[in-house]
Amino acid sequence: GNSVTQMEGPVTLSEEAFLTINCTYTATGYPSLFWYVQYPGEGLQLLLKATKADDKGSNKGFEATYRKETTSFHLEKGSVQVSDSAVYFCALRGLTGGGNKLTFGTGTQLKVEL
Amino acid sequence: EAQVTQNPRYLITVTGKKLTVTCSQNMNHEYMSWYRQDPGLGLRQIYYSMNVEVTDKGDVPEGYKVSRKEKRNFPLILESPSPNQTSLYFCASSPGRFSGNTIYFGEGSWLTVV
Repeated sequence: GNSVTQMEGPVTLSEEAFLTINCTYTATGYPSLFWYVQYPGEGLQLLLKATKADDKGSNKGFEATYRKETTSFHLEKGSVQVSDSAVYFCALRGLTGGGNKLTFGTGTQLKVEL
Repeated sequence: EAQVTQNPRYLITVTGKKLTVTCSQNMNHEYMSWYRQDPGLGLRQIYYSMNVEVTDKGDVPEGYKVSRKEKRNFPLILESPSPNQTSLYFCASSPGRFSGNTIYFGEGSWLTVV
């Protein structure tokens, strides 16, 4: 079945540092890939997505490139801010049961300090 | 404003007392689903619905029921809640089952069963 593996947290960075959160996946066929963000006390928001190989999703300074050859979708941001502190979930949606449900990683907590 | 609305947001209940968490979306989406979020496990799908009167089990359906009598509503029913159902629950919707369609989430319902 489908699965998503993302780096464990928490990740603690200083403001303006470079961020990478690794995400790799296992899936049959050609899934779409997503990053969702969960700010403290809030629900899940879509951060970015990519629907085919070599696509780059981007939003709010975050980027991730769909790499089929390495089955990866790493999240990057060049300069993080305190307001980026949240939990980040990598997910895939493919041709599976569950109405093509989202399969999530376990989440990576990011803490950004001044 | 396009949104998925869940109620209640917070609930403490006792073992065995039936409860319903309501979910409504205003985007005319065909696909709706319920997930639960637990520490270290990410989000897991409970039930999903591809359209009115069409529902099916997800990965962790035990102890839950759903119904889809109208397109916009998808309530989650716990007939006899138990402490292991203490969790954060998310309702979600999507235009369809195409893997590239974004799945939109509600703000979450914190449920504690004592």
